[in-house]
Amino acid sequence: NAGVTQTPKFRVLKTGQSMTLLCAQDMNHEYMYWYRQDPGMGLRLIHYSVGEGTTAKGEVPDGYNVSRLKKQNFLLGLESAAPSQTSVYFCASSRGLAGPAGPQYFGPGTRLTVT
Amino acid sequence: AQKITQTQPGMFVQEKEAVTLDCTYDTSDPSYGLFWYKQPSSGEMIFLIYQGSYDQQNATEGRYSLNFQKARKSANLVISASQLGDSAMYFCAMRMDSSYKLIFGSGTRLLVRP
Repeated sequence: NAGVTQTPKFRVLKTGQSMTLLCAQDMNHEYMYWYRQDPGMGLRLIHYSVGEGTTAKGEVPDGYNVSRLKKQNFLLGLESAAPSQTSVYFCASSRGLAGPAGPQYFGPGTRLTVT
Repeated sequence: AQKITQTQPGMFVQEKEAVTLDCTYDTSDPSYGLFWYKQPSSGEMIFLIYQGSYDQQNATEGRYSLNFQKARKSANLVISASQLGDSAMYFCAMRMDSSYKLIFGSGTRLLVRP
């Protein structure tokens, strides 16, 4: 049971380059999320999705785009990377709002450095 | 406003002893879940334990237990028989049953001494 997986695990970009981070979950979860975590700080929500074909902005969406074409996948794109986007990126998934709030399950993270 | 407070930035515990990590929360919503996550130095976020606001009994998962005191709005994590591998950052979090949003505390760094 893989849970939540992320690719790649590490990446170095130059300013202005673009890239896509891929998240996949095998738990049939409705909700998926992208967070970033900066040194010494907690997680901040970038974008989230409540179902296939839907996305919404979180706390820090600027400079990022997302897509959820399939229920099990959630993609995070950086169109023109900036040094301020150097961070560790986590994907997470959870079941929907029917019933008690369940946990979010996190992927292993992607460490991105923008030079 | 909904908020999670972890007042212990760092803690030490001797190996094999028990330790309590404090967490208080603030919400006026009656339906919510409380969670603890572990983040070791390798970086991943590991879900440890969950407590629903309507659960009558405290949650337990192996060596982890959640001391849920609803009237005091506290959800402390108790780790019994600490192991060296328990050294990590621990985050308390809350989510309303009606919301997608997971609210995190600032975390407590636990160091287990041999």
